Amino acid sequence: NAGVTQTPKFQVLKTGQSMTLQCAQDMNHNSMYWYRQDPGMGLRLIYYSASEGTTDKGEVPNGYNVSRLNKREFSLRLESAAPSQTSVYFCASSYTSGGADTQYFGPGTRLTVL
Amino acid sequence: QKEVEQNSGPLSVPEGAIASLNCTYSDRGSQSFFWYRQYSGKSPELIMSIYSNGDKEDGRFTAQLNKASQYVSLLIRDSQPSDSATYLCASMDSNYQLIWGAGTKLIIKP
Repeated sequence: NAGVTQTPKFQVLKTGQSMTLQCAQDMNHNSMYWYRQDPGMGLRLIYYSASEGTTDKGEVPNGYNVSRLNKREFSLRLESAAPSQTSVYFCASSYTSGGADTQYFGPGTRLTVL
Repeated sequence: QKEVEQNSGPLSVPEGAIASLNCTYSDRGSQSFFWYRQYSGKSPELIMSIYSNGDKEDGRFTAQLNKASQYVSLLIRDSQPSDSATYLCASMDSNYQLIWGAGTKLIIKP
């Protein structure tokens, strides 16, 4: 099992460009999440999908959109990148979103917006 | 605003000693708490979860929870250089979302 995979690992964008971060899990998990991690701050939830076909906003959704393509895949799109979106982005998955199921993280995407 | 607070460190501990990491949370409705370890440049991985007041032990790790004081701690016994990492504390809120602390950087000195 690969667990949670993310592509790309690194990306440099210019202000205003768009891109999609891809995430896939092979653990048959129902719930998936997108976080960003900035120096000196905790992980902040951008969007999550409690189950296939549903998506909900997290703490910092502005400037992002998501698609739960199927049970395995959850993508994050930046329509018009801004320097404030320079961050490390983590995708995670868990069996359910309720209770206290362990969240498993992908390796992260390091994004720089110039 | 729901918050989880951690001392950023670094916390420097001699090899073989006990490392003590602390965390406070603001949401009294939180019922579940987690400690994740994150090596530099890597993703977080779960070490322990705790739901009830008191201690929970797993190998060299002990998590402690005091809901009255809104306090969670992680003790690492017989610290090893491989324990050097950033430790993230998280609480689960009433919407089943994790609220994360910024992490404590732990350095184990050989």
